[in-house]
Amino acid sequence: QSVLTQPPSASGTPGQRVTISCSGSSSNIGSNYVYWYQQLPGTAPKLLIYRNNQRPSGVPDRFSGSKSGTSASLAISGLRSEDEADYYCAAWDDSLSGGVFGGGTKLTVL
Amino acid sequence: QLQLQESGPGLVKPSETLSLTCTVSGGSISSSSYYWGWIRQPPGKGLEWIGSIYYSGSTYYNPSLKSRVTISVDTSKNQFSLKLSSVTAADTAVYYCARQPFYGDYVETYWYFDLWGRGTLVTVSS
Repeated sequence: QSVLTQPPSASGTPGQRVTISCSGSSSNIGSNYVYWYQQLPGTAPKLLIYRNNQRPSGVPDRFSGSKSGTSASLAISGLRSEDEADYYCAAWDDSLSGGVFGGGTKLTVL
Repeated sequence: QLQLQESGPGLVKPSETLSLTCTVSGGSISSSSYYWGWIRQPPGKGLEWIGSIYYSGSTYYNPSLKSRVTISVDTSKNQFSLKLSSVTAADTAVYYCARQPFYGDYVETYWYFDLWGRGTLVTVSS
């Protein structure tokens, strides 16, 4: 059971906007930055969002992150077939004194 | 362009020590701007942070693995290494090394990995 809770799956059709949630607590999301990673099939994770809502260079602005209280969300607009991947949220947990990842959400583009 | 490459045995026997090395190319591991970390992913499962190290040798580990983990750095070879002792089948995973930006304050403030190696599968089996 992951400290950060994500839905195991999400889906959408091309062009649609989808959101993936990440629920935590006051010791992780509530007091620290949230990060998001994209893992395409058979590849290493790639940083998608850092410090809650910042995009690294090269990440399309179709991807956006937000945080409110002890929850965070990743939104993908203009969904494309190449967005089909696993998405992970992550944050530092002050109580555990360690970094934690969500269980991951498998996004399917229908 | 900086790259990271994991190397080491793909098969380890139960109760033995898993040893992996990450070689950094295209840049210096001695940069003051980064920590260097290990993350693993069991087949079909999610990600788990193992620990991170600074070029000076300063380390911090996942508390759940701390008793079995040692991460070290060799700046002369531009490498850092992972040792995980007393392994069991539960330690079977793809092991990734990654670069972790450091902004000069508490390492926990910005805990993320902006560049990853391709990963290497380590199977624990007799």
